[in-house]
Amino acid sequence: EVHLVESGGGLVKPGESLRLSCAASGFTISNAWMSWVRQAPGKGLEWVVRIRIKNDDGTTYYAAPVNGRFTISRDDSKNTLYLHMNSLKTEDTAVYYCTWMSTVTTFGSWGQGTMVTVSS
Amino acid sequence: QSALTQPASVSGSPGQSITISCTGTSSDVGAYNYVSWYQQHPGKAPKLMIYDVSNRPSGVSTRFSGSKSANTASLTISGLQAEDEADYYCNSFTSSSTLVFGTGTKVTVL
Repeated sequence: EVHLVESGGGLVKPGESLRLSCAASGFTISNAWMSWVRQAPGKGLEWVVRIRIKNDDGTTYYAAPVNGRFTISRDDSKNTLYLHMNSLKTEDTAVYYCTWMSTVTTFGSWGQGTMVTVSS
Repeated sequence: QSALTQPASVSGSPGQSITISCTGTSSDVGAYNYVSWYQQHPGKAPKLMIYDVSNRPSGVSTRFSGSKSANTASLTISGLQAEDEADYYCNSFTSSSTLVFGTGTKVTVL
């Protein structure tokens, strides 16, 4: 069974950086497509980034609002995916969900989410 | 990439059927059969209900079904039950190889 646990959220000031972690079990991240999706308080879902890790491809697609500020990395030995968020803005405040993609376009399993608050 | 358009709310009585629409463009919903639907209860993570327009993952009730016509996808819930009360979001692949969610629909069981 796929299981995802996010961590690393917290309160930061505008312009600061933060790294989120997504510990995976039940599958190997080095053979998967994965995504991050966020949800601002009281708002809808917003796709953030999608990465193809299969065969060490590493092809990554970013949503326009985070392109150039957010990047993904991974640690295969820990079966963990990371989201590096730089130059954070108040509009980045949201719950961030890590997702395993059951197809290249489908969010098959979701973690419980980690809250990121960007405020001065 | 603009969000796909969904009605803000849909309601129905127990046992009835309701349909939620998801309208995009010829660059997303209309271009690919890669529309998925997610159910989200308050304070919980979303759950996959339908993928690739009309496929149900294992474990999802047969009361949930999906379809698509041109630039509009639809999710139908038949035999509405109290536990179906939740927010529902559609999602589509786009011609830019990105993904876009719908604005979300709150389903109320009267």
